[in-house]
Amino acid sequence: DVKVTQSSRYLVKRTGEKVFLECVQDMDHENMFWYRQDPGLGLRLIYFSYDVKMKEKGDIPEGYSVSREKKERFSLILESASTNQTSMYLCASTTVLAKNIQYFGAGTRLSVL
Amino acid sequence: SQKIEQNSEALNIQEGKTATLTCNYTNYSPAYLQWYRQDPGRGPVFLLLIRENEKEKRKERLKVTFDTTLKQSLFHITASQPADSATYLCAPQEGSQGNLIFGKGTKLSVKP
Repeated sequence: DVKVTQSSRYLVKRTGEKVFLECVQDMDHENMFWYRQDPGLGLRLIYFSYDVKMKEKGDIPEGYSVSREKKERFSLILESASTNQTSMYLCASTTVLAKNIQYFGAGTRLSVL
Repeated sequence: SQKIEQNSEALNIQEGKTATLTCNYTNYSPAYLQWYRQDPGRGPVFLLLIRENEKEKRKERLKVTFDTTLKQSLFHITASQPADSATYLCAPQEGSQGNLIFGKGTKLSVKP
């Protein structure tokens, strides 16, 4: 079974802090994604990556950056956390060999105070 | 702009009945359409994928249809059970390498 692991289930940070959300997958998938999910807005794509050291902006990249130094790890970085970044963050991975069926982590619920 | 609409935010049905969820899309020509289940506080889990040239796909009590003329997919759960209560997301996909765009989901509640 594919396993996508997000480093934290819950995080509480203060405004202005730099925040790192880590995601690791164990299935050698080439594609990885970061979403945020908010009530009434659904899943929105922040950034994605098709390969190591590659990154593409999604629909809402402002205030975020990403890093993919190794194939299995995709990190989301909030350079200076703000209260409007309080949300559920979901990481997913996939491969074109599986028609891009996405495998999600359990999510990180981030609260920025 | 591309738009995906799932028929309602919430659907309440009685145990044993068939639940039917609707996904409509506009300004979009997906080659595939995926359905996911999401439980509270968890990530979505893949259920079914249907291709544009397939009219229907089944998996146990689940059935998905895909009508590219109507630009609509229907998701059915037959003989529904309280354990089927969850939010169901549709996600059209343009091409085998295209990213998914997720609908906002329909929250299904199955009452005993």
